[in-house]
Amino acid sequence: DTGVSQDPRHKITKRGQNVTFRCDPISEHNRLYWYRQTLGQGPEFLTYFQNEAQLEKSRLLSDRFSAERPKGSFSTLEIQRTEQGDSAMYLCASSLGGVGGEGAGAFFGQGTRLTVV
Amino acid sequence: AQSVAQPEDQVNVAEGNPLTVKCTYSVSGNPYLFWYVQYPNRGLQFLLKYITGDNLVKGSYGFEAEFNKSQTSFHLKKPSALVSDSALYFCAVRGFLSRAGSYQLTFGKGTKLSVIP
Repeated sequence: DTGVSQDPRHKITKRGQNVTFRCDPISEHNRLYWYRQTLGQGPEFLTYFQNEAQLEKSRLLSDRFSAERPKGSFSTLEIQRTEQGDSAMYLCASSLGGVGGEGAGAFFGQGTRLTVV
Repeated sequence: AQSVAQPEDQVNVAEGNPLTVKCTYSVSGNPYLFWYVQYPNRGLQFLLKYITGDNLVKGSYGFEAEFNKSQTSFHLKKPSALVSDSALYFCAVRGFLSRAGSYQLTFGKGTKLSVIP
């Protein structure tokens, strides 16, 4: 499978615990995005990387959230001191840079469903 | 700020009939517009996009969409619906003249399409 892969697919954690999610983008894609989707809503942008540089962060990304893409390939999203309001589907997407790449749209992974109890 | 409205939470259509899923947008400058489909337990799948050029764009699975600049709309259409088209459809926009470095997509809330046999 050469698509975007995310791990784990599901995560149940107790409030206050830290969690980390991993995303492996399509190998030739230099852009990587994290989105969050709650029930009945469309995905909401969290952050964006071009290669290893984190170029944009949404106001939704509180201080408890941190994302990295250390070698410009896979990325991790960590949530510290989880809260019940963090329960959502966390989606990763990747795309090629440039007008042509943007025109192709971003390719999404299947997501990590987080449940905070 | 950019925004997307999908005015219908749900669209029901009989198999074989034409379908339309509505989308309107607000963005500074010329828009990049996208449609994605989400099946249960699957990631978002790219359907089609409008960047520039012909206002009628064709995408995957027989879907097409018409860009109307004066009405700021990008409605998704298909001449003959299939039961397998039943899914959640999301419209998304990225402003071409967005703040430098801003590559985020803004999604609508989604429209659930049900095709009745």
